[in-house]
Amino acid sequence: SAVISQKPSRDICQRGTSLTIQCQVDSQVTMMFWYRQQPGQSLTLIATANQGSEATYESGFVIDKFPISRPNLTFSTLTVSNMSPEDSSIYLCSVEEPRGTEAFFGQGTRLTVV
Amino acid sequence: KQEVTQIPAALSVPEGENLVLNCSFTDSAIYNLQWFRQDPGKGLTSLLLIQSSQREQTSGRLNASLDKSSGRSTLYIAASQPGDSATYLCAVTNTGTASKLTFGTGTRLQVTL
Repeated sequence: SAVISQKPSRDICQRGTSLTIQCQVDSQVTMMFWYRQQPGQSLTLIATANQGSEATYESGFVIDKFPISRPNLTFSTLTVSNMSPEDSSIYLCSVEEPRGTEAFFGQGTRLTVV
Repeated sequence: KQEVTQIPAALSVPEGENLVLNCSFTDSAIYNLQWFRQDPGKGLTSLLLIQSSQREQTSGRLNASLDKSSGRSTLYIAASQPGDSATYLCAVTNTGTASKLTFGTGTRLQVTL
């Protein structure tokens, strides 16, 4: 099973600023996934991050708001840009390797925008 | 578009009871189904993975079943304990969607002393 570390675990940010969340995996993986969980809601996929190519975003999410980097096979970042209180959520990264097997999640980043 | 629903939304049981959580999905063309546990404000812990060709999986006091044709899965928890208190989520991966998980709404479980 993959071990995933996310940083920071939580943060309180001012509106209009940006926050970058880091996700480190203890093994090389092809795809990494970023999810958002709004208060009281279930998880929604933001984007899929592939090494060496641009991320693939789901409907309702755009690169300008949630830029993603994937510099190598063990690391990815998600930036939440120009934040507003509506961005207050838990953000989680996930891996599934090999594809079609068990998915593993980081411990999440709890973001509060004030 | 795949939709996943979980019933009940919340459940409170006394310690020692056996219980069943339900998950239904609208599109039966799934690759697999996974049950997760989430503690408040935390990430997800994988409990059980059922491939589309399987009928059930067991781990300790947990047993998950899958009826793909009817679009249903159940998670059975035997002899519940206060430490089982958490939110339980089911998620499916559809064939051809590159490992994207579609999550259910969750069941918030409280096991009381």
